[in-house]
Amino acid sequence: EVHLVESGGGLVQPGGSLRLSCAASGFTVSDTHMSWVRQAPGKGLEWVSVLYAGDDTYYADSVKGRFTISRDNSKNTLHLQMNSLRAEDTAVYYCARDTSSGGLDKWGRGTLVTVSS
Amino acid sequence: QLVLTQSPSASASLGASVKVTCTLSSGHSNYGIAWHQQQPDKGPRYLMKLNTDGSHTRGDGIPDRFSGSSSGAERYLTISSLQSEDEADYYCQTWGAGIRVFGGGTKLTVL
Repeated sequence: EVHLVESGGGLVQPGGSLRLSCAASGFTVSDTHMSWVRQAPGKGLEWVSVLYAGDDTYYADSVKGRFTISRDNSKNTLHLQMNSLRAEDTAVYYCARDTSSGGLDKWGRGTLVTVSS
Repeated sequence: QLVLTQSPSASASLGASVKVTCTLSSGHSNYGIAWHQQQPDKGPRYLMKLNTDGSHTRGDGIPDRFSGSSSGAERYLTISSLQSEDEADYYCQTWGAGIRVFGGGTKLTVL
């Protein structure tokens, strides 16, 4: 059975950094695309970043240059390094398995990131 | 620019059917989409992938009360025999090279 479990969220000051992790089971993260999606309080879903199976990475304009997506194949884990955090980055962050055709077919439960002084 | 447009809200009675609409931006009517459900205070759940021709593939454990259809740039999610647990936010999502896009979501109220 496929499971995704996010961790690493918390309270951080503006300008600070945080590293999110997404532990996967039931499949191999390096064999598929993986995405991060976030949801600000009371708002809709916003795509953040995708890591292709072939190692290409892409980012939403709102996080480009500040966030970095990566994976640790030995731990079957996806990461999101978030630097220069802003108040508007406050959200629940979800990782999702991203099928080759682009539909996100498995989701984690999310981890809350709060950026505040 | 690849954009998905959804009505903010919809409502229908218990046991009835409802159709939720997602509209692709101009020039993108040949894109497939996915539908996701988000129940209150829960994470999203993948419902199905919906192709341009209306064919669709439901996710694991998704009942056949959930179906999809397409017409031009419109993509539809139909939920039949509405149940109280269907009250949720529904998001359409599409993809291009290096990009993923979500619609703004439709909040479904079951009366």
